[in-house]
Formats: sequence, C-alpha cells, structure tokens
Amino acid sequence: TQLLEQSPQFLSIQEGENLTVYCNSSSVFSSLQWYRQEPGEGPVLLVTVVTGGEVKKLKRLTFQFGDARKDSSLHITAAQPGDTGLYLCAGARPTGNQFYFGTGTSLTVIP
Amino acid sequence: DTEVTQTPKHLVMGMTNKKSLKCEQHMGHRAMYWYKQKAKKPPELMFVYSYEKLSINESVPSRFSPECPNSSLLNLHLHALQPEDSALYLCASSQETALVIRNNEQFFGPGTRLTVL
Repeated sequence: TQLLEQSPQFLSIQEGENLTVYCNSSSVFSSLQWYRQEPGEGPVLLVTVVTGGEVKKLKRLTFQFGDARKDSSLHITAAQPGDTGLYLCAGARPTGNQFYFGTGTSLTVIP
Repeated sequence: DTEVTQTPKHLVMGMTNKKSLKCEQHMGHRAMYWYKQKAKKPPELMFVYSYEKLSINESVPSRFSPECPNSSLLNLHLHALQPEDSALYLCASSQETALVIRNNEQFFGPGTRLTVL
C-alpha cells in the first residue's frame, strides 16, 4: 500500500489550461517535496513545504501543504509544453529514516 | 552546488556480467540513497546509507551489492542480473536522513539507464 496517493495518475491538457495535482495521505508528514522528472532523467526538486497551511509560489506553480500536514497540492496556471513530465510528491515522516514517494502524475501539455 | 553525478549514463550487460554503477556528491551530505525506477512509475527505494553505514536495505536481492567507500561516493555492484532488473537506477543524497531534520531534501542524479540482456 502506497503511503502517498497522487491524483490524477495521467493528465493531458491543452496549452494555456490550468490544472491541479493532489498528493494525499492518511499519515502526517514532517515535510513534503515536489519533483518534476523528464523521461530518462532524474527527478528535479521544485519545492519543499514544511509548515501546515504553507503556500509557496514558483512562477506559474503554486504549492500548498495541508493544515494537518497529511496532503499537498500543486496548481499550474496557463500550462506550457515545457511543463510536460512526471510530477512526484515525496515526504519525510516524523518517524522512519527514509522519504516516501507518491504514485506519480504524468502530465502532457499539448501545444 | 546541488549536483549529484552518476556514471555511466547508459549500461547494457548480459546476465553473467559484473558491472558497477557510481554516484558522487560534493555537498557534504551524510545520507545517500539508491532507487530503482520503471517507466512512469515512482522511484522504489533500494538502499539508504547514513554516515557511510548501511541504514536501510529494502529486501533487495543479493545480486545488487551497495558500497559506500567514503562520504562522497556511493557504488552499486551488479552481478548475475535478470532482464526484469532493467530500469533507471537513481542515486540521491540529502543533508541527513529523513528523521534528523525537518526540512530535509533529497537531490537526485541523472540516473543510469540499465538494460540486462
């Protein structure tokens, strides 16, 4: 059973549309990271959220950490083809010595 | 500098070969990780090293043998692999393991694309 569930699993949208990716768990996390990964490459860290209710913006990307630190969302405004990739959330729990990955969301932005 | 390097970029090997994957970071990180990833799936944790000692082994078959010669280097020795072991192998590092500091972050290398014939 995956500790972090992402939805949707696949998403194909037109350039210029907005989208939201969700990362949900029944467990509390000390922090959550969001990564974007292109085929054949390693994941690239986009952001880390630590405080419940925290909102961080990175250009057209907005990240939110749930108040209870059990979930997070990634919102992309006016998607561009360069946003295409696999989006992964990952978190560190208050106990345990590893990071837990979400199930992944594969995004395709069509020009 | 948040760079993690991995060599080789691509590797093709037969089931009787012995090969090694290498990973290096110069960020002073004390935790290093090996992950295996299949296409469009999340990375699966294989091993965690903390202060050059093996901290977690996620029940990985013995045909994969990790080694941490020093705080900057991490190797993965491969022997008698199976075709189903073909995947992208990712190395990552973090300042400490996840439990130690709250805003800990992992940084990944570009990966080694392994094909087992």
